[in-house]
Amino acid sequence: AQSVSQHNHHVILSEAASLELGCNYSYGGTVNLFWYVQYPGQHLQLLLKYFSGDPLVKGIKGFEAEFIKSKFSFNLRKPSVQWSDTAEYFCAVTSKRDDKIIFGKGTRLHILP
Amino acid sequence: KAGVTQTPRYLIKTRGQQVTLSCSPISGHRSVSWYQQTPGQGLQFLFEYFSETQRNKGNFPGRFSGRQFSNSRSEMNVSTLELGDSALYLCASSLTWGYTNEQFFGPGTRLTVL
Repeated sequence: AQSVSQHNHHVILSEAASLELGCNYSYGGTVNLFWYVQYPGQHLQLLLKYFSGDPLVKGIKGFEAEFIKSKFSFNLRKPSVQWSDTAEYFCAVTSKRDDKIIFGKGTRLHILP
Repeated sequence: KAGVTQTPRYLIKTRGQQVTLSCSPISGHRSVSWYQQTPGQGLQFLFEYFSETQRNKGNFPGRFSGRQFSNSRSEMNVSTLELGDSALYLCASSLTWGYTNEQFFGPGTRLTVL
């Protein structure tokens, strides 16, 4: 069965630090990849997605992610975080084979002011 | 455009009872998916409905069921509640079904089973 691993469960950074959250998935076929974010007290919302084309995708609020097929990875990055980035981040994958979305267990990010 | 709405927002039940949760998708969206979110397991897919038909199902026992109405609104039912069913239940809608669709999530229903 397909799975998604987010290696960091809890990350604490200071403002202006650079961020990279890891995400690895298990399925080797055609996949679509997503990062969702859940700010405190808010709905889960889409940060960015990769379907095809340029493996470096840019999302909202300065986030980007790189799809590396050979490593089955889709890591999320931001060069300089802000206190308002404090949230829980979820990586997710869908595949043509399964047709249902599989989420990672999430990474809680705390940004210190 | 109004977002996905879920009712009720909070619910307290006791073991053995049953519960029905409701979800209204974004206008024009015809697919509704349900998820269970817990601290230990994260977000787990329950099922997806499109045009009143269940298109996909996760690995949950038969106590969890759902349906979709002709106006795309969906309900989820859990019978014979267990303590482990305490969770945030999220509903998401999308224009159509399938693995390429972006999903829009509602605020969730927080279910506590005592």
